[in-house]
Amino acid sequence: DAKTTQPTSMDCAEGRAANLPCNHSTISGNEYVYWYRQIHSQGPQYIIHGLKNNETNEMASLIITEDRKSSTLILPHATLRDTAVYYCIVRPMDTGRRALTFGSGTRLQVQP
Amino acid sequence: GAVVSQHPSRVICKSGTSVKIECRSLDFQATTMFWYRQFPKQSLMLMATSNEGSKATYEQGVEKDKFLINHASLTLSTLTVTSAHPEDSSFYICSARSGLQLGFFGQGTRLTVV
Repeated sequence: DAKTTQPTSMDCAEGRAANLPCNHSTISGNEYVYWYRQIHSQGPQYIIHGLKNNETNEMASLIITEDRKSSTLILPHATLRDTAVYYCIVRPMDTGRRALTFGSGTRLQVQP
Repeated sequence: GAVVSQHPSRVICKSGTSVKIECRSLDFQATTMFWYRQFPKQSLMLMATSNEGSKATYEQGVEKDKFLINHASLTLSTLTVTSAHPEDSSFYICSARSGLQLGFFGQGTRLTVV
């Protein structure tokens, strides 16, 4: 799986957009970008994933650069409940039995 | 989305005793389940991979005789921490997957060994 680099922490004002970057310069053509988050004392929660097109769902938007070497997760209107550690994971979509590997992630603190 | 239920959410046990944690996939059949451990302010670390009907595969450094994993059915895997010690105190998280979907996570179990 490609290595990812994320900032250690970020702050965001409540109601504003939170933009979380992820660098994955060694991504391969068959690797997807996945985002998960972990709220304190809970299990990780899937947010979104994409291959090369931008994606949007009810939780967030994912913007992937044209060269696919970086991406940004956007929470359009952050709330206090979005305070969590956000993990960017790059790996192939496979039917195999490999676990997700978590890096250090970005600790997002949404401020009131 | 699919639901993975983990029980108990919190347990306190005495040193030397064993603790069993259950992980259930409620609305799908999980061909593979994973167990992670997370220490304070650290990321999730994979402990073992469990495939239904076969022995679990443990990550390097994880003692298989101490962390017993059973995956007897497509909806249930259990992790038993045997002869627990204070250093085993941690947040244990299971994940279940089937097919292409990468996996859904349980809510975690906070184990405190006193």
